[in-house]
Amino acid sequence: DTEVTQTPKHLVMGMTNKKSLKCEQHMGHRAMYWYKQKAKKPPELMFVYSYEKLSINESVPSRFSPECPNSSLLNLHLHALQPEDSALYLCASSQRSSGDDQPQHFGDGTRLSIL
Amino acid sequence: AQKITQTQPGMFVQEKEAVTLDCTYDTSDPSYGLFWYKQPSSGEMIFLIYQGSYDQQNATEGRYSLNFQKARKSANLVISASQLGDSAMYFCAMREGPEGGGNKLTFGTGTQLKVEL
Repeated sequence: DTEVTQTPKHLVMGMTNKKSLKCEQHMGHRAMYWYKQKAKKPPELMFVYSYEKLSINESVPSRFSPECPNSSLLNLHLHALQPEDSALYLCASSQRSSGDDQPQHFGDGTRLSIL
Repeated sequence: AQKITQTQPGMFVQEKEAVTLDCTYDTSDPSYGLFWYKQPSSGEMIFLIYQGSYDQQNATEGRYSLNFQKARKSANLVISASQLGDSAMYFCAMREGPEGGGNKLTFGTGTQLKVEL
């Protein structure tokens, strides 16, 4: 079992729907991350939150909207997605976002399919 | 230029044998960290082992060890006594300091390992 919990595990939505992905960790980590991963490719960083503030946005389209309500929770709000947005979305956390000795701990991911 | 290169798209190993997964990296930052992750078909990314650029000794974690050759900029993962459950995709990743592009984790393209009976 991972210590980073993501819900839902699977999500199918239409292009006009609005949905949210949720991520929760109780390890006291102060950095949280969203990644997008296409099949047989490495994860691609989307957003980084450090101490509940957005610190990195990798030029992600505005149809993806992250939110960090508190130090344990990270949401990804989805609206008007395109079929190419179908992917595995991984959440990760680490003790802090700086310092190169901090491993990121990943959740199991949400498999998103856009119809 | 690729920052992390994994040249083996796929590898096969017999159960109970050792296997080495290759990883080379490119950075001009004097301070960096190297990570290996395992991703089974179910999707979760599992942290395996870490090596810091200033570490004098190769990292080891159970059956996993990291063959760190700083001058060659390589950080190969060695899995001893392979088990069927080791079958998965393995990613090498690097985190550079602020000088080298920020504190982002850069992943290689991965090596798909298949352990056979």
